[in-house]
Amino acid sequence: EPEVTQTPSHQVTQMGQEVILRCVPISNHLYFYWYRQILGQKVEFLVSFYNNEISEKSEIFDDQFSVERPDGSNFTLKIRSTKLEDSAMYFCASSTSGRGEQYFGPGTRLTVT
Amino acid sequence: GESVGLHLPTLSVQEGDNSIINCAYSNSASDYFIWYKQESGKGPQFIIDIRSNMDKRQGQRVTVLLNKTVKHLSLQIAATQPGDSAVYFCADYLYNFNKFYFGSGTKLNVKP
Repeated sequence: EPEVTQTPSHQVTQMGQEVILRCVPISNHLYFYWYRQILGQKVEFLVSFYNNEISEKSEIFDDQFSVERPDGSNFTLKIRSTKLEDSAMYFCASSTSGRGEQYFGPGTRLTVT
Repeated sequence: GESVGLHLPTLSVQEGDNSIINCAYSNSASDYFIWYKQESGKGPQFIIDIRSNMDKRQGQRVTVLLNKTVKHLSLQIAATQPGDSAVYFCADYLYNFNKFYFGSGTKLNVKP
């Protein structure tokens, strides 16, 4: 069964450093998403991406964040200058339509020290 | 400052019993809803969805009920099994904002 994959599974970085979280969505999916989940809290929407552009973003997704689909398979989330409060699980998801079942990856745990 | 996580409501059931997990949503314009299961250390996993023009939908061992009048969603799991132990949360979709809003979740503990 096709699945969303994410790398790395755990990323430790120092405050102020840039990180890139990588995702490979399911191959025939057209919509891509990033979510984050701070430990013990609910999943929060960050951004949705369709047709090579951001279709929606939350107030969390400020200028420090960017997304890119550099080729036909990868979907990345970049945090330019990490802060302690960026520590969270980051989930990538993909779907065939913008209003349907989203398939989530296993997540990347980001720890900012 | 110290970050305090949300205290998740917990539902404990005996193996074989039926479970009912509830969710309230706030926006009457939400038109699509999903229930997710999240096991420890894993990403959310789709269980079942329902559109706002329906009030009930059944899957394998699961049923979702939607009451738009009171903006309430429930997930019923029949014959609960130990493998059902996880956090369950609902998500509602606002078409005008093109994004999902996730609830905080309920932790289901299944006792053997």
